[in-house]
Amino acid sequence: GQNIDQPTEMTATEGAIVQINCTYQTSGFNGLFWYQQHAGEAPTFLSYNVLDGLEEKGRFSSFLSRSKGYSYLLLKELQMKDSASYLCAVILYSGAGSYQLTFGKGTKLSVIP
Amino acid sequence: GAVVSQHPSRVICKSGTSVKIECRSLDFQATTMFWYRQFPKQSLMLMATSNEGSKATYEQGVEKDKFLINHASLTLSTLTVTSAHPEDSSFYICSASPITGGIYGYTFGSGTRLTVV
Repeated sequence: GQNIDQPTEMTATEGAIVQINCTYQTSGFNGLFWYQQHAGEAPTFLSYNVLDGLEEKGRFSSFLSRSKGYSYLLLKELQMKDSASYLCAVILYSGAGSYQLTFGKGTKLSVIP
Repeated sequence: GAVVSQHPSRVICKSGTSVKIECRSLDFQATTMFWYRQFPKQSLMLMATSNEGSKATYEQGVEKDKFLINHASLTLSTLTVTSAHPEDSSFYICSASPITGGIYGYTFGSGTRLTVV
């Protein structure tokens, strides 16, 4: 089966830096997404990694190591509005030319003053 | 950018009735749409993959006769929860993938909060 692990909850201080880790053991790999989800809302796209290395986009960066089955999302200069769940999702080939996302359980980040 | 519209955003229905949820891709054609379910404090669980013009592919443990999926056009997929029961109360989210695919090919609708009383 597919296994994607993330910490359940994290707390960090406003203005600080936080790293959210994601490890995966999946049958195949075609890329990894990070999404942000506020309570009761749909996920919104944050980043995509398919090759090893760091992708930086403003306050958010995402890293991937395919050999280790590992990714992290780095959030800098934390703001109160960053309090949300962060979902790691792996793209898997599902056959007949189709791909699907398999999600981790998400990490609930609480930013405190 | 790609926009996916989902409605209703909230619905309350009586136990035993059916509820239809619509998912529309507004500015692109979607050969594939995905339906997810999310229980409180849980992650998104894929229920089924809907392909235009063909039968949906259901994940293990999802009752295809209870969750009817229709993908009749390249811009519309519907999920009908038949004979809903309180345990079906959940947050249902669709996602659409355009024909051209690409890394931004997974756009989510705004979700539907279903409460069965």
